[in-house]
Amino acid sequence: AIRMTQSPSSFSASTGDRVTITCRASQGISSYLAWYQQKPGKAPKLLIYAASTLQSGVPSRFSGSGSGTDFTLTISCLQSEDFATYYCQQYYSYPPYTFGQGTKLEIK
Amino acid sequence: EVQLVESGGGLVQPGGSLRLSCAASGFTFSSYEMNWVRQAPGKGLEWVSYISSSGSTIYYADSVKGRFTISRDNAKNSLYLQMNSLRAEDTAVYYCARVEITMVRGPVGFDPWGQGTLVTVSS
Repeated sequence: AIRMTQSPSSFSASTGDRVTITCRASQGISSYLAWYQQKPGKAPKLLIYAASTLQSGVPSRFSGSGSGTDFTLTISCLQSEDFATYYCQQYYSYPPYTFGQGTKLEIK
Repeated sequence: EVQLVESGGGLVQPGGSLRLSCAASGFTFSSYEMNWVRQAPGKGLEWVSYISSSGSTIYYADSVKGRFTISRDNAKNSLYLQMNSLRAEDTAVYYCARVEITMVRGPVGFDPWGQGTLVTVSS
């Protein structure tokens, strides 16, 4: 199975900051990568697919990049509603679909 | 509005069984692949099972293989997960999630997700 590793596992930032989360795959997955946002007590929400394509309705301050094994999710100007946990997921080779362990973004 | 609503969770003893349901609305259910994903308390997301649009192709995570059975009824717009021989480590919120399809790239992740249903395995 392809392992997905996110870094950092958690960190603190302030409203207005630019933040970057990294996701690394244990083998090449081309651009078959999705990013999800999950708020406490809520279901995950698809933000980005194909590594860099924003899902409909997702604000443009979110962006994704990468291919092969290394990917990033960037939030250009943090808003209060962006404090959440973010997961990457590979859909290049399944089963199993695999997720990263999550990155919890907290308010500083 | 595209919507998925899970039901059937609850408290069950180790070794017991439970059947989860996921009611779909707002889209042509029979055209979409579906999944179950779970999240243990305070933990990350774990994919559990996949079923193709017709039900002819099914996959399971190793952790549930032989104990869980995924199925669907396209006439009822419903997805199911039969869970047998439940263990404490199966305690989690269980989400159903649709495979998102795009014209250009085909399957591209899971969207939307239901609100989840909590399964607690404890004596």
